[in-house]
Amino acid sequence: DAKTTQPTSMDCAEGRAANLPCNHSTISGNEYVYWYRQIHSQGPQYIIHGLKNNETNEMASLIITEDRKSSTLILPHATLRDTAVYYCIVRADTNAGKSTFGDGTTLTVKP
Amino acid sequence: SAVISQKPSRDICQRGTSLTIQCQVDSQVTMMFWYRQQPGQSLTLIATANQGSEATYESGFVIDKFPISRPNLTFSTLTVSNMSPEDSSIYLCSVEELHEQYFGPGTRLTVT
Repeated sequence: DAKTTQPTSMDCAEGRAANLPCNHSTISGNEYVYWYRQIHSQGPQYIIHGLKNNETNEMASLIITEDRKSSTLILPHATLRDTAVYYCIVRADTNAGKSTFGDGTTLTVKP
Repeated sequence: SAVISQKPSRDICQRGTSLTIQCQVDSQVTMMFWYRQQPGQSLTLIATANQGSEATYESGFVIDKFPISRPNLTFSTLTVSNMSPEDSSIYLCSVEELHEQYFGPGTRLTVT
């Protein structure tokens, strides 16, 4: 699986959009971009995934650059409950369930 | 979405003993996955458990230390054997359905 690079930490004001970047410059053509988050003392939670098109669901939007070497997770209206560690993972379909977790980005939403 | 439960939620054990962690899923799944999260660290995959076959272990993890059972399509156990303080971690069970990976709440193990 391709390696990902994320900032160690970010702050965001409550109610504002949180934009979390991820670099995955060695991504292969068959690898998807996945985002998960882990709220303190809980198991990780799936957020969204994409291959090359931008994706949106009820939780977030995923913007993938045209060359697929980077992506941004957008939480449109961050709340205090969105404070968590966010993990960007790149993985092929053939490795379903076998996610390689890096250090992630600690997002702190402030009132 | 799959709902996963784990037992126990936490335990404190003495070194040299073993603990078996149970994972129950509310739907039938082909593969189940066991992860470890050491204090202050990210998650690491221990092994993949397929029903009807031996588990497949990742580099650095061996069956003698982490034996796994998978008796049916909704249940799995992970045993942490001959524990040492270095085994103090959160152990998480996981499944994947249609690109979405779900994790249990974890078992917080402290070895004294």
